[in-house]
Amino acid sequence: DIQMTQSPSTLSASVGDRVTITCRASQSISSWLAWYQQKPGKAPKLLIYKASSLESGVPSRFSGSGSGTEFTLTISSLQPDDFATYYCQQYNYYPLTFGGGTKVEIK
Amino acid sequence: EVQLVESGGGLVQPGGSLRLSCAASGFTFSNYWMSWVRQAPGKGLEWVANIKQDGTEKYYVDSVKGRFTITRDNAKNSLYLQMYSLRAEDTAVYYCARTDASIWSFDYWGPGTLVTVSS
Repeated sequence: DIQMTQSPSTLSASVGDRVTITCRASQSISSWLAWYQQKPGKAPKLLIYKASSLESGVPSRFSGSGSGTEFTLTISSLQPDDFATYYCQQYNYYPLTFGGGTKVEIK
Repeated sequence: EVQLVESGGGLVQPGGSLRLSCAASGFTFSNYWMSWVRQAPGKGLEWVANIKQDGTEKYYVDSVKGRFTITRDNAKNSLYLQMYSLRAEDTAVYYCARTDASIWSFDYWGPGTLVTVSS
């Protein structure tokens, strides 16, 4: 199985900060990576697909990059609505696997 | 508007069975792969199974193979997950998710249904 490792697991930041979350795959997944945002008690929401493509309706402060085994999600200027947990997910091999999540907290 | 609504969750004893349903609306259901994804309390996301548009291909995570069966009824715009031999570790919120095969991501999710396996 492909292991997806996210870092950090928790991140404390302030409104306006630039935030970067890293996701590493245990083997190459090309660009078949998605990022999701989840708030407590809610379903996840797709932010980024194919590593760097922004889902329709998602603010442009979110961006994704990377290919192969190293990927990043960047929030250019953190907004109050962005405090949530973020997950990466690979879609290149079965079983489909998610990273362990990164919780973005208010500093 | 795309809508996915799960139902069928509840409390079940270890070794018991349960059938989850997902009612889809707002899109052409038969054009999309569909998936089940679960989340144990306080834990991360785990993909469970998915099914091709016509039901001819199905994939499962190893931990549920032989115990869970994913099916769909395109005439009823519905997705199902039949769960047998339930274990405590199957306790989770189960989400129905649409898969856009052009981007291979879960682009719409239902609100989830809670399955609790306990005596």
